[in-house]
Amino acid sequence: GQQVMQIPQYQHVQEGEDFTTYCNSSTTLSNIQWYKQRPGGHPVFLIQLVKSGEVKKQKRLTFQFGEAKKNSSLHITATQTTDVGTYFCADYMDSNYQLIWGAGTKLIIKP
Amino acid sequence: DSGVTQTPKHLITATGQRVTLRCSPRSGDLSVYWYQQSLDQGLQFLIQYYNGEERAKGNILERFSAQQFPDLHSELNLSSLELGDSALYFCASSPEGGGSNYGYTFGSGTRLTVV
Repeated sequence: GQQVMQIPQYQHVQEGEDFTTYCNSSTTLSNIQWYKQRPGGHPVFLIQLVKSGEVKKQKRLTFQFGEAKKNSSLHITATQTTDVGTYFCADYMDSNYQLIWGAGTKLIIKP
Repeated sequence: DSGVTQTPKHLITATGQRVTLRCSPRSGDLSVYWYQQSLDQGLQFLIQYYNGEERAKGNILERFSAQQFPDLHSELNLSSLELGDSALYFCASSPEGGGSNYGYTFGSGTRLTVV
């Protein structure tokens, strides 16, 4: 079945450095959704990408959907302590109304 | 407050027992989803209900069951509990299937500890 691979599993950065997490699939992704889960919290919906090559920005966060719709990325510029948490991508499949989740990337700010 | 209410927030129970977790979806949302998240792990999809009907099943054990009531609240029943069932259980809701610019709205979760 459909699988969404997300890398890296963890990323340690200094505050102020950039952060990127990638989602990949061997098959075409339908609609990519991104969620953020703060430590001890619940996942919070960030954005949905639908179109091939789509790029959306939310302040320091940039979301991209690949031209072939087989990958997506989330890039955070100049990380802040408030960015700490786990970022999940998920493919929303119109055919069966299901979200296929990536394993998440944990953003850790080095002290 | 996300609009999705889960109770209780914490639950400690012994092995072999049965518990019920409750979820009230965001107002207007017809779909309810249950997820299990073990410590520092990803989200494991358990089951989905849409407007009272079961729509999809994920990796839900036979010891677990769920239902959605006419007022759209949902309950997840976990029985014959084992130590390995200790986890955070999330409920999420969405207006219809979930493929919209609003995504899923998650509750704060129920932390279940089996001792």
